[in-house]
Amino acid sequence: TQLLEQSPQFLSIQEGENLTVYCNSSSVFSSLQWYRQEPGEGPVLLVTVVTGGEVKKLKRLTFQFGDARKDSSLHITAAQPGDTGLYLCAVRIQGAQKLVFGQGTRLTINP
Amino acid sequence: DAGITQSPRHKVTETGTPVTLRCHQTENHRYMYWYRQDPGHGLRLIHYSYGVKDTDKGEVSDGYSVSRSKTEDFLLTLESATSSQTSVYFCAISDARTDSGANVLTFGAGSRLTVL
Repeated sequence: TQLLEQSPQFLSIQEGENLTVYCNSSSVFSSLQWYRQEPGEGPVLLVTVVTGGEVKKLKRLTFQFGDARKDSSLHITAAQPGDTGLYLCAVRIQGAQKLVFGQGTRLTINP
Repeated sequence: DAGITQSPRHKVTETGTPVTLRCHQTENHRYMYWYRQDPGHGLRLIHYSYGVKDTDKGEVSDGYSVSRSKTEDFLLTLESATSSQTSVYFCAISDARTDSGANVLTFGAGSRLTVL
């Protein structure tokens, strides 16, 4: 059983549309991170959310941490082809300096 | 960008042969990690290190060993490669010093290993 469940696993939409992807768990976390990975590269950190209910914005990307700190969402407004990539959420395991990742959402934005 | 390099970037080998992947960092970060990435599984932790000669297992450590004899290098060894170890391997580093307590990772570009 995955600690983090991401949905959808695949999403293909047209340029200009809005979308939301999710990262869910039954566990409570002190923080949650979102990474984006482009083909042939390693993941790159987008944001860390820490407080329940927290909302962070990164240009057209809006990240929210659930009130109970069990889940998170990533909303993209007016998606661009440059947003194409694999979006991964990750959490730190309590008491250890290691991260566990969800299986990712592969996003394709078509021109 | 953080100085982290992986070598080799691509390798094809045969079942039963030993393979060593190297991760080198110039950031003097304390923590180093090896993950593997397979379709549908995201990134899964193999082993990690919290200091020179200090390592611990991750969730998929069977068939892998690691060594860290100096801060800048973290080696991942497959003693006898199997086809199930065909994957893309990522090294990551962290100094684990953030205000939020989150452990932010910086990743290398990956090493693609094919075991025939």
